Amino acid sequence: QKEVEQDPGPLSVPEGAIVSLNCTYSNSAFQYFMWYRQYSRKGPELLMYTYSSGNKEDGRFTAQVDKSSKYISLFIRDSQPSDSATYLCAMCPGAGGTSYGKLTFGQGTILTVHP
Amino acid sequence: DSGVTQTPKHLITATGQRVTLRCSPRSGDLSVYWYQQSLDQGLQFLIQYYNGEERAKGNILERFSAQQFPDLHSELNLSSLELGDSALYFCASSVDSQETQYFGPGTRLLVL
Repeated sequence: QKEVEQDPGPLSVPEGAIVSLNCTYSNSAFQYFMWYRQYSRKGPELLMYTYSSGNKEDGRFTAQVDKSSKYISLFIRDSQPSDSATYLCAMCPGAGGTSYGKLTFGQGTILTVHP
Repeated sequence: DSGVTQTPKHLITATGQRVTLRCSPRSGDLSVYWYQQSLDQGLQFLIQYYNGEERAKGNILERFSAQQFPDLHSELNLSSLELGDSALYFCASSVDSQETQYFGPGTRLLVL
């Protein structure tokens, strides 16, 4: 079983829809949680990061972390065709350990927003 | 543009050969990370260097090695290449060992 599980999709939604992307994980040492967006043939781009449990909002994007359930989510409001990409969740342990900074990624969810 | 540069963008080579991938981190970043992305394994951490020293190691094959130079650029050396080494190789950088890593555009390696 992988440390981080993410439904690869693909997910297809109409423009303007609310998109929900999710990851589950098994390693309770994970403290930092990130979402990356990757366009085809490009490098991953950091979208959001949160520390421990809670919510974080940035424009149309909201990241949620529930450490008790080992479950993280990314919500995209008013989705646009330009949001079409692969979304990768990533996480790493807290500072001070030898694995700090070593990101573990989910498989990525392919999202298509059609006009 | 993340500020991380990688060369070359594409590399086609034959089995058994050796290649070197190069990465220049963002200005001011001391840590460099190497990741491999393949269809079946996803994005996997290989190795991290901080200010010239190896800091963390992932599932990096013995045929692969890396180093970080005094000017902070890094090279990933892949030797005795196999078909299964065909993948995208990404470099990322950060100020220190931290979660906010910025990725380069990647090098696409094809081993024939």
